[in-house]
Amino acid sequence: LAKTTQPISMDSYEGQEVNITCSHNNIATNDYITWYQQFPSQGPRFIIQGYKTKVTNEVASLFIPADRKSSTLSLPRVSLSDTAVYYCLVGDGGDDKIIFGKGTRLHILP
Amino acid sequence: GAGVSQSPRYKVAKRGQDVALRCDPISGHVSLFWYQQALGQGPEFLTYFQNEAQLDKSGLPSDRFFAERPEGSVSTLKIQRTQQEDSAVYLCASRGRTGGYNEQFFGPGTRLTVL
Repeated sequence: LAKTTQPISMDSYEGQEVNITCSHNNIATNDYITWYQQFPSQGPRFIIQGYKTKVTNEVASLFIPADRKSSTLSLPRVSLSDTAVYYCLVGDGGDDKIIFGKGTRLHILP
Repeated sequence: GAGVSQSPRYKVAKRGQDVALRCDPISGHVSLFWYQQALGQGPEFLTYFQNEAQLDKSGLPSDRFFAERPEGSVSTLKIQRTQQEDSAVYLCASRGRTGGYNEQFFGPGTRLTVL
């Protein structure tokens, strides 16, 4: 499974757009990029997945450049409730287990 | 219920005791996973079932850890002779036949504290 690198922590303010970038230099051709969100005292929650270009859903957008060696999770107009740990991972689903890193601790300030 | 449930939510054990943690996956989900999450760390894979078959147990840290899913639905993670280093949150996840790659649905976890 490709190794990912993401910032350990980030702070932002309510109403701002937050972008979390993840590096995955050795991503394989068949790999998808997936992001999970984990609130305190809860299990991780799948939020978005993509292969290339841009994916958008009701929670976030995922931007993937042409070389796919990085990706950016974009959270529009964050609120205090977006304070969580965000995990970036890559894989093709063939290896069923998920390898989580330490994630990015996002702290939203009022 | 609609989601993955786990019980108990909290468990305190004395060192050396045996514990059993239960996971009820989403109905109809074929795949079931167990993860261990230490404080401040990401979840780490323990074991994986497809129906009742345990296909991967490479993450189990020692032979004190045992998991089963005898009827392909509910699963139990058992830890024998608990040690302090077993203190962690134990997460269960399930996955259906549809959905994106790596899309697993997690329960709230069981927080195990070994004294």
